[in-house]
Amino acid sequence: GQNIDQPTEMTATEGAIVQINCTYQTSGFNGLFWYQQHAGEAPTFLSYNVLDGLEEKGRFSSFLSRSKGYSYLLLKELQMKDSASYLCAVSHGSSNTGKLIFGQGTTLQVKP
Amino acid sequence: DGGITQSPKYLFRKEGQNVTLSCEQNLNHDAMYWYRQDPGQGLRLIYYSQIVNDFQKGDIAEGYSVSREKKESFPLTVTSAQKNPTAFYLCATAPTGGTGNTIYFGEGSWLTVV
Repeated sequence: GQNIDQPTEMTATEGAIVQINCTYQTSGFNGLFWYQQHAGEAPTFLSYNVLDGLEEKGRFSSFLSRSKGYSYLLLKELQMKDSASYLCAVSHGSSNTGKLIFGQGTTLQVKP
Repeated sequence: DGGITQSPKYLFRKEGQNVTLSCEQNLNHDAMYWYRQDPGQGLRLIYYSQIVNDFQKGDIAEGYSVSREKKESFPLTVTSAQKNPTAFYLCATAPTGGTGNTIYFGEGSWLTVV
């Protein structure tokens, strides 16, 4: 079967670093996405990994290991506005990049 | 402005009633998708379409129907056969063969059964 797992909830302190893990088992792999979603809003794109390694974009970094079926999202210098759900998603179509399988999301609470 | 427009933002459905959610895009994308999100959950794929006049079932298509008569439009009908339709519905688009970061989401529609 196809499955994506990520922790349900995490709590961190403002200014700290937090790592959100994601493991996946899918029938195909065309890349892994991380999205941020505030309650009641559409997901916002954060990062995309298709090759192994680390992609850095400002305060956010994402890592992928295809052999291990593993990714993580790293958030540095946490701010209160980072409190949101973080969704891990795998694209498993060939050229069908929008056909995504999502994890259940990790709700991150940033405390002062 | 370029983008995806979903309407209505909020919709209430009575028991046994069919309702249609609209999704319109002016991005000239070939592929369009409908996802459902339940509280505290990730998104699940309902239907998708890669080209006009063609569409495919996703993981949870039962109780839903779609059409793709125009490239710009991909409406979703929630039928009375969908027993638990209360959810947040998201439309997305992507160019066929595009790179991974070219998936765009609409603002979403909230459907509540009353």
